[in-house]
Amino acid sequence: QVQLQESGPGLVKPSQTLSLTCTVSGDSISSGSYHWSWIRQPAGKGLEWIGRLYTNGSTKYNPSLKSRVTISVDTSKNQFSLKLSSVAAADTAVYYCARVVTLVRGVIIIPSYFDYWGQGTLVTVSS
Amino acid sequence: QTVVTQEPSFSVSPGETVTLTCGWGSGSISTSYFPSWYQQTPGQAPRTLIYNTNIRSSGVPDRFSGSILGNKVALTITGAQAEDESYYSCMLYMGNGVVVFGGGTKVTVL
Repeated sequence: QVQLQESGPGLVKPSQTLSLTCTVSGDSISSGSYHWSWIRQPAGKGLEWIGRLYTNGSTKYNPSLKSRVTISVDTSKNQFSLKLSSVAAADTAVYYCARVVTLVRGVIIIPSYFDYWGQGTLVTVSS
Repeated sequence: QTVVTQEPSFSVSPGETVTLTCGWGSGSISTSYFPSWYQQTPGQAPRTLIYNTNIRSSGVPDRFSGSILGNKVALTITGAQAEDESYYSCMLYMGNGVVVFGGGTKVTVL
């Protein structure tokens, strides 16, 4: 059974960097079969994709957040992490990590859907 | 910025059928957008219902179905039940490795 668990501070001050970690069990991040993503959801609003970690360590980010986001991996701990810099109140949200099922079309790897999600962690940006 | 649109809300009586749609302003949606649908109740993580337009995820009741409806993607609940009262979000692959979620639809069963 694949499980994902987010962890990190629940309160971050404005202009600082939000840091979260997703610990994966039941699958190996480095296995090459899946990609790994971060998604967030402000209270009362829709889901927003933040970015994705490819199995080779490369990344893809939401263009609207790209300048502030870094996703990285620690294969020794089977974890991947999110850093979001220069946070503001608008970054207050529940943050989820999720596993991405991919499809291959020719030479293109397509993120098809998310099959496993963490329970989510609330991060509040406030002084 | 790409905006994926969904109806804000729907009310349905138990046993009735409801169809939610997902579209975006620049044109028609096809299977090449690899649409997927997620169900979410308050305080819970999303649950995958449908992927690749019309494939039900494991354990999803067959009253949930996905399709292309005109120039949009659709999620149909045939014979809605009380436990289907949830928030439903679609997701589309927009190319270049980018996915976008719709704003979500709140379905009330009463």
